[in-house]
Amino acid sequence: EAGVAQSPRYKIIEKRQSVAFWCNPISGHATLYWYQQILGQGPKLLIQFQNNGVVDDSQLPKDRFSAERLKGVDSTLKIQPAKLEDSAVYLCASSTPGTGWTDTQYFGPGTRLTVL
Amino acid sequence: QQPVQSPQAVILREGEDAVINCSSSKALYSVHWYRQKHGEAPVFLMILLKGGEQKGHDKISASFNEKKQQSSLYLTASQLSYSGTYFCGTWGNNNDMRFGAGTRLTVKP
Repeated sequence: EAGVAQSPRYKIIEKRQSVAFWCNPISGHATLYWYQQILGQGPKLLIQFQNNGVVDDSQLPKDRFSAERLKGVDSTLKIQPAKLEDSAVYLCASSTPGTGWTDTQYFGPGTRLTVL
Repeated sequence: QQPVQSPQAVILREGEDAVINCSSSKALYSVHWYRQKHGEAPVFLMILLKGGEQKGHDKISASFNEKKQQSSLYLTASQLSYSGTYFCGTWGNNNDMRFGAGTRLTVKP
């Protein structure tokens, strides 16, 4: 079974530029998550989708971050404009829909973003 | 609210045991444990769904004390392959997963 796919794996940009990340979840997983992992810290949830609807985006900095999930499968996360503090690994995870607290999340390899 | 993990880091020799703790200030519905190796994605280890539950596979096990809002991960007779950063993820009233800052485990020959 194929895992969660993400691209690109690495991205270096200048501050104030825009960047987009792509995620393809495990086939059949209706729930998709985007996390931000700053070096030395645990992942922090940015947004959670159930199919193509947003379940939770309370920690998403909406002035610069946006995300969408096209047709309930692939998802893109965009940062516009980027700031130095956005340097982090952006992880995508997916799970089968359940109660939430019983669901096992499977993570992709992540995209390492460096903002100069 | 993020759970608190302890210790922050631990160094072991092969064959030694370790305990990693995870505690929350809020009521928990479940605790999830992951291991992340440098530059890789977090890999799911196990999930504990109710108080008093204990789980394990191979020589890694965990317990969940619902009343104390705590979970512990036990690594027995550690192997080199156990090296990595261990994260607990807790699911509470926020209805989302909150991860601790991680415990870096190094196993030396």
